[in-house]
Amino acid sequence: ETGVTQTPRHLVMGMTNKKSLKCEQHLGHNAMYWYKQSAKKPLELMFVYSLEERVENNSVPSRFSPECPNSSHLFLHLHTLQPEDSALYLCASSQESGQVGSDTQYFGPGTRLTVL
Amino acid sequence: GEDVEQSLFLSVREGDSSVINCTYTDSSSTYLYWYKQEPGAGLQLLTYIFSNMDMKQDQRLTVLLNKKDKHLSLRIADTQTGDSAIYFCAERFSNDYKLSFGAGTTVTVRA
Repeated sequence: ETGVTQTPRHLVMGMTNKKSLKCEQHLGHNAMYWYKQSAKKPLELMFVYSLEERVENNSVPSRFSPECPNSSHLFLHLHTLQPEDSALYLCASSQESGQVGSDTQYFGPGTRLTVL
Repeated sequence: GEDVEQSLFLSVREGDSSVINCTYTDSSSTYLYWYKQEPGAGLQLLTYIFSNMDMKQDQRLTVLLNKKDKHLSLRIADTQTGDSAIYFCAERFSNDYKLSFGAGTTVTVRA
């Protein structure tokens, strides 16, 4: 049990739908991440939030919209997705303190998204 | 560059040792990680090593780092059926949030 939970675990949506993925961390961390895991491809970092501010957006299409209302919660809002967006979406958190040995990322179980 | 490469598959007999290999291209990477992903689950952190270390041992797991050759390995002693999973190598640079992952090695443990 990593202390990072994600809901829903599975989601099927049409291309015109709007849905949201939720992540919650119970570890007291101050940074949260969204990753995309597609078949036969390395994990791709999508967004990073530190102290509730977005610090990185790796050229992700605007149909993905993140929201971090506080240090424990992270959302990924989805709208007008494409079938190629079908993947496992993983959330992670870490404690960014600048000290050597810190900053290890802990992952949630992921949301398996299928876009029809 | 930040390419991390792993072999895609490894088949091991139960009770034998497994060795999973990883190479990375950027010598300035500071932290190197091994994660495990079981079917239908997220990534579980197994262990990590700092770039100024050569070896780290944690119960059945041994991590070896050859910084000169940019080669990282994970050895699992007495491999069990529960060790069947995908194992990811990842690198991170100090003062950088980004983890660069390899494509993962699928380990299959056979009886």
